[in-house]
Formats: sequence, structure tokens, C-alpha cells
Amino acid sequence: NAGVTQTPKFRVLKTGQSMTLLCAQDMNHEYMYWYRQDPGMGLRLIHYSVGEGTTAKGEVPDGYNVSRLKKQNFLLGLESAAPSQTSVYFCASSSDEVAEDTQYFGPGTRLTVL
Amino acid sequence: QKEVEQDPGPLSVPEGAIVSLNCTYSNSAFQYFMWYRQYSRKGPELLMYTYSSGNKEDGRFTAQVDKSSKYISLFIRDSQPSDSATYLCAMTPYSSASKIIFGSGTRLSIRP
Repeated sequence: NAGVTQTPKFRVLKTGQSMTLLCAQDMNHEYMYWYRQDPGMGLRLIHYSVGEGTTAKGEVPDGYNVSRLKKQNFLLGLESAAPSQTSVYFCASSSDEVAEDTQYFGPGTRLTVL
Repeated sequence: QKEVEQDPGPLSVPEGAIVSLNCTYSNSAFQYFMWYRQYSRKGPELLMYTYSSGNKEDGRFTAQVDKSSKYISLFIRDSQPSDSATYLCAMTPYSSASKIIFGSGTRLSIRP
């Protein structure tokens, strides 16, 4: 039982390059989330999904796209990376969307855009 | 002005001390309050959850909410080196994970 895993753990991109971050969970959770964490800013929600085939925008969705083709996977795409997207990206999943339900976070992906 | 303010620290205390971590907020609509613990190079994990005002205790941890002052606290009794981590407060006006606003975190170090 791995919980929430994220691939890759680290990545360096040049401005304008594209990449996809993969999140996988083995807990059969309906809800999945992508956050970014920046110094002094806390966690901010990028996009989230309430079930297979669904996606919704969070607080900071610009420059990102997501897809949830399979229940266990949630992909975050950067089509044309910018230095402002340098951050640590966390994926999370939960069985319910209520605030008191525990979100299980992955270990994070550290992305640097040069 | 940020909706949720949290002193970044770092806060360093000796083992066994009582630790007080705090957050202030500006949105009086917040009703659900959470504390997360985040170890270095790891994802956050939910530590405490409180609805509305009052206290909640779980082992060595006590969460306190004062809505009249827009102030929340997390107390750690008998602090241990394993408590060394960054603590994030979080809150939302609705019982909805997609509306959670996180503080920027306080880095805590417990000296053996």
C-alpha cells in the first residue's frame, strides 16, 4: 500500500518546455488535488477532481492543465513552462471532499524552470 | 494583506517545553480550522481539525480557536525532537476541501 506517489521527484526545465507530472493513489479515493507550495505563500490549490473524468479549477489554475482519465491517476501538465512556475508541487487525495476528511499528500515534485 | 497570517519562525525550544503556534485571519466567515504537520521534504499531514470556536485535545496536542479575535493556536505539550517540523494552519468557510486556505507555515525545532 504505497498511498500517494508522485513522478518525477525532481525536474529542471527551460522556459517554454512542457512536462507532465503524474500522481497515483492506491486508496480508491474519489477526490484528488494538485497544490503548489512556494516560500512565504503556503499551499495553493491549482486544480482538483471529484471523480474519474472530472476536473475543476482551484485558486491558481493559469498555465496548468489536468486530466483524470483513470480513477487512480491525476496528471498535471505544463504546456509552456515559465520561471514563475518554479515551485514544489504536491498531489493529494481523499475519500470525501469535506474539509474534515483527511487529505493524503504525496512526497512532492520539485520543479525548477530556468 | 493575506487572508491567513502565520509567523514563519524558525522557533527553537528545548525538549519538554510547551510550544505555542499561532495564526491570525481576516475572513470572519472561516468556520473550519485545521493544523497540518510537514516534515522536511515530505507532504503535509493533517494533525488537528476543529469546527467553530473552542478547544480540541488529542494526546499532547491542543487546538484552540477564538473566532472573536480571529486567532487560532496549536499547543504542543512535552515537546519531543520528533515534533521538529513545519506546522501549517489552514481554514475554510465551508466544509469543502477545495476552499481551504493555508498559512505559510511555522518552522519548529525541538532541541534535545
